[in-house]
Amino acid sequence: DAGITQSPRYKITETGRQVTLMCHQTWSHSYMFWYRQDLGHGLRLIYYSAAADITDKGEVPDGYVVSRSKTENFPLTLESATRSQTSVYFCASSGGSNQPQHFGDGTRLSIL
Amino acid sequence: GENVEQHPSTLSVQEGDSAVIKCTYSDSASNYFPWYKQELGKRPQLIIDIRSNVGEKKDQRIAVTLNKTAKHFSLHITETQPEDSAVYFCALLESGTVSKLTFGTGTRLQVTL
Repeated sequence: DAGITQSPRYKITETGRQVTLMCHQTWSHSYMFWYRQDLGHGLRLIYYSAAADITDKGEVPDGYVVSRSKTENFPLTLESATRSQTSVYFCASSGGSNQPQHFGDGTRLSIL
Repeated sequence: GENVEQHPSTLSVQEGDSAVIKCTYSDSASNYFPWYKQELGKRPQLIIDIRSNVGEKKDQRIAVTLNKTAKHFSLHITETQPEDSAVYFCALLESGTVSKLTFGTGTRLQVTL
C-alpha cells in the first residue's frame, strides 16, 4: 500500500557510523512499529509508538533509538552501527488496538 | 514476551492440493491472531485474521481456525496455485497490550506444478 513508505530501500554503511531509517505513513494511524527480519527469527519488534511523543521498547531495542515528533513519521536510528545489525528493517502502522498492522516495503541494511 | 511456535518450517505441495500451517501459543488471554504472506523480496501482507470470539473464518480459498482450549490456530489453503508460493507468518496480539504482535518464525510454502 502506498500509505506507508520507507527510505532508503537499500543502504550500505560501515561499523561505527550513524544511520537513520525513515518511515512515513499517510493514514494518520496512531500506532507505528519497527521490526527487523533475519533468517530463522522471523519478525522481531525493535520499538513501537502508540502516539506522537510516546515510544516503547520491543523485543530487541539495544543499539537503536526512535523518535515520534509527528504522527506520520517514525525514524529509526542506529547510533553506532554494528555488523549484527545487518538485516531487513520493516516499518508498520495500525489504526488502533486489535487492528491489523500494515507494512512498508522494507529497508535492506548492510553494515560492513 | 509471548512465544509462538509455527510448523512446519517448509512445506511443499502439488498444485491443487491443500496446505495447512499450524501455530501454537501459551498465553490463553491472547485474542487476536493475524496471518501474513510474504513473497520473496516483498513486504509482509495481511491475508486473514481471526479474533478469539470465533472459531473459524474463511475468505475464498483461505481459512483460519482457532482452538482456544488447545491454544493453537491454523491456516488452511485449498486448491493451491503457484502464486501461493511464499513465506507465511502467524502472529498474535500479546495480552495486556493494545498493539504488540509476536510473530512465528515462518513457513516457506512451495507449490509445485
